[in-house]
Amino acid sequence: KAGVTQTPRYLIKTRGQQVTLSCSPISGHRSVSWYQQTPGQGLQFLFEYFSETQRNKGNFPGRFSGRQFSNSRSEMNVSTLELGDSALYLCASGPGTPNTEAFFGQGTRLTVV
Amino acid sequence: QKEVEQNSGPLSVPEGAIASLNCTYSDRGSQSFFWYRQYSGKSPELIMSIYSNGDKEDGRFTAQLNKASQYVSLLIRDSQPSDSATYLCAAFTGGFKTIFGAGTRLFVKA
Repeated sequence: KAGVTQTPRYLIKTRGQQVTLSCSPISGHRSVSWYQQTPGQGLQFLFEYFSETQRNKGNFPGRFSGRQFSNSRSEMNVSTLELGDSALYLCASGPGTPNTEAFFGQGTRLTVV
Repeated sequence: QKEVEQNSGPLSVPEGAIASLNCTYSDRGSQSFFWYRQYSGKSPELIMSIYSNGDKEDGRFTAQLNKASQYVSLLIRDSQPSDSATYLCAAFTGGFKTIFGAGTRLFVKA
């Protein structure tokens, strides 16, 4: 069974640009969660999607948005990039029901210059 | 108040010893708890999940949950240098959100 696939693995963007990251979950998983990981803040929850619906959102500005498609693939978008957005962005997929496990992709390393 | 708290460490144990990692959480509605291991430069890897009070064993790993005390722990028996990593405790809340602690760095000395 293929794991969670995130693309691209690395990105370098300039301040003010926008970026779109992609996540393909494990086959059969309907939930995709996105996290931002930085050395200072650890893993911070961005949002969770299940069957194309956002069920929860973390405390991030509106520049961070996401969506999920009917095949459960998900994208997150960051507009008007800031230097502080440099981080490892991770997605995790799972069945989406309570008491079930989630599995992470390899992440996308975003550097904003 | 942080929702999931862990001692950042580093925790250093000799090879063959038991490593004990601890975690507390603030949301009493949390239903499921997970331990992830993250090697430097890699993504988190799920190693244990626990849903009910008590102990759960899987190989060299034992997870312990005490919902009354809002406390989760992970014991690693016969620690190996390859266990050196950051261990993340996570709690799945009723809001379909999994909250992670900042992680505890573990060093196992050969």
